[in-house]
Amino acid sequence: QVRLQESGPGLVKPSQTLSLTCSVSGASIGSGISYWAWIRQPAGKGLEWIGRVQNSGNTFYSPFFKSRVILSVDTSNNHFSLNLTSVTAADTAVYFCARVTYDRGFHMDVWGKGTTVTVSS
Amino acid sequence: DIHLTQSPSSLSASVGDRVTITCRASETITTYLNWYQHVPGKAPKLLISAASRLASGVPTRFSGSGSRTFFTLSISDLQPEDFATYYCQQSYSTPDMYTFGQGTRLEIK
Repeated sequence: QVRLQESGPGLVKPSQTLSLTCSVSGASIGSGISYWAWIRQPAGKGLEWIGRVQNSGNTFYSPFFKSRVILSVDTSNNHFSLNLTSVTAADTAVYFCARVTYDRGFHMDVWGKGTTVTVSS
Repeated sequence: DIHLTQSPSSLSASVGDRVTITCRASETITTYLNWYQHVPGKAPKLLISAASRLASGVPTRFSGSGSRTFFTLSISDLQPEDFATYYCQQSYSTPDMYTFGQGTRLEIK
């Protein structure tokens, strides 16, 4: 059974970089072709798509985040990461990682439980 | 950007009821539409992909239909564990802008 677990600081100061890691168990990130995504949910709001990273390192970002986000993958340690620069209070949210599967369209078939990140001084 | 509008935003129902949630897209997305269930504090769960394909392990009381700009998620014989928030999501946009609907909160009456 594939499981994903987000980790990282729960508090980040404004203007700094938010860095999160998603550890994958039950599957090897490096096997075949795979995609891994980040999604967030600001308090009281809906889900927001951030982007996805292929296990080869190719990245696909939402235009909304493209100027501030870097996604990467570490196949040796079986995890992938999110870096979001120049954060503001608007980036306070629960951040989810997910596995993206393609079968007549992309969908996220396995998700982590999410980690709360607060941007505050 | 493709915008998804779910209706209703919230819904009250009883165990055993049948409910339907709709998702309208601002432009055609063919059948590139997924449905997720989310209980706060838990991992979101894929229910339906490609508009109508039931995800592995999802009970058959869940069903999806639709194409182009109009989609529905139906839940029959509501069970206590079904009370959650439901989101539709499109994966048609390029470059990646896989937007979600605003969510439908299903509550126990």
